[in-house]
Amino acid sequence: GAGVSQSPSNKVTEKGKDVELRCDPISGHTALYWYRQRLGQGLEFLIYFQGNSAPDKSGLPSDRFSAERTGESVSTLTIQRTQQEDSAVYLCASSRTQIGGGYTFGSGTRLTVV
Amino acid sequence: DQQVKQNSPSLSVQEGRISILNCDYTNSMFDYFLWYKKYPAEGPTFLISISSIKDKNEDGRFTVFLNKSAKHLSLHIVPSQPGDSAVYFCAASGSGGSNYKLTFGKGTLLTVNP
Repeated sequence: GAGVSQSPSNKVTEKGKDVELRCDPISGHTALYWYRQRLGQGLEFLIYFQGNSAPDKSGLPSDRFSAERTGESVSTLTIQRTQQEDSAVYLCASSRTQIGGGYTFGSGTRLTVV
Repeated sequence: DQQVKQNSPSLSVQEGRISILNCDYTNSMFDYFLWYKKYPAEGPTFLISISSIKDKNEDGRFTVFLNKSAKHLSLHIVPSQPGDSAVYFCAASGSGGSNYKLTFGKGTLLTVNP
């Protein structure tokens, strides 16, 4: 598609449940990123995928968070046993190269844990 | 420890006047800086960037200034238009292998009044 597509756009879940967020990057973009934005905060880096290289998972806040990407296609971010502090907008972005900046963001998934 | 700071949460200007958004950073390893613009319910959109080898970059109504010695950058919008009303995020990346990772400020909400 023309842009980065994320689904669902909104998700309300009960504390303790698992959630899965999906990202469809722009075709041909080898790099894919996940960020999150909690209320009143800037965007926080979570994870980076570049082609078939090992991902940089250094931003994942706990072992309840994991992400997968097959090749240069769809990525899923999974949060297990959700907590209220996981409530945030989760943003996916993609780019052609890993050179800093200028990536294209999706509209995000607003996750609310109740 | 906030490495990128946007100390003004909001700014209001009149249409036609100049908007100046400020950003300070603490990490001297940052060498690439970007501004993103975000409308409600949309992902951030890349606006303009500057490399640390420059002190100014201009693109139409948008100019970014970088003062490396002061670890300060600013975004000037002139003339400001009502459609510029959005949240503006400053972001920075370092050199080397992790230059894909952006560190964001908390954002400044710009309101341009007709």
